Amino acid sequence: DIQMTQSPSSLSASVGDRVTITCRAGLPISRYLNWYQHRTGKAPKLLIYGASNLHRGVPSRFSGSGSGTDFTLTISNLQPEDFATYYCQENYSTPPTFGQGTTLEIK
Amino acid sequence: QVQLVESGGGLVKPGGSLRLSCAASGFSFSDYYMTWIRQAPGKGLEWISYVSSSGTSTNYADSVKGRFTISRDNAKNSLYLQMNGLTAADAAVYYCARDLSSGWPAYYGLDVWGQGTTVIVSS
Repeated sequence: DIQMTQSPSSLSASVGDRVTITCRAGLPISRYLNWYQHRTGKAPKLLIYGASNLHRGVPSRFSGSGSGTDFTLTISNLQPEDFATYYCQENYSTPPTFGQGTTLEIK
Repeated sequence: QVQLVESGGGLVKPGGSLRLSCAASGFSFSDYYMTWIRQAPGKGLEWISYVSSSGTSTNYADSVKGRFTISRDNAKNSLYLQMNGLTAADAAVYYCARDLSSGWPAYYGLDVWGQGTTVIVSS
């Protein structure tokens, strides 16, 4: 299994801030990397696929970058609805493992 | 609209069995791979299993291999997860999700998720 490590595990920010979440793969995975948002009690939502492609309907303040082993999710101009837990997921091989999650909290 | 609705969760004793269902609507179910994901209390997301669009190809996480069986009925637009030999470690919210990819490596992700169904394993 490919290990996916996210950092930080949690962070606090304010509405309007810009934040970056990092995801590191244990092996090179090219650009086979997705990002999901999960609000408590809700269904997870796909944000980014293929490392940098915005899923339809996702606001442009979300962006992704990276390839190989190092990836980032950036959220600009944080909105109240963005406070949630974010997961990266490698889609290079089975099982397609998730990172442990990064919880974004309101400061 | 495109929707997935899980059902079948509940309280089960250790060693018991449960069958989860996922009803799909609003899209051509038979065109898509489908996946089960779970989240144990206080933990992150864990991929459990996938089934190909035709149902002929499946794959499982090591944690459930030999105990869980994924299947689908395209005529009924339904996905299933038969869970046997349940332990406390299987207690979780179980989500079904539509997979935009077909096999690995996969460029796309899981674009539609249900709200989840809760499985509690306790004596």
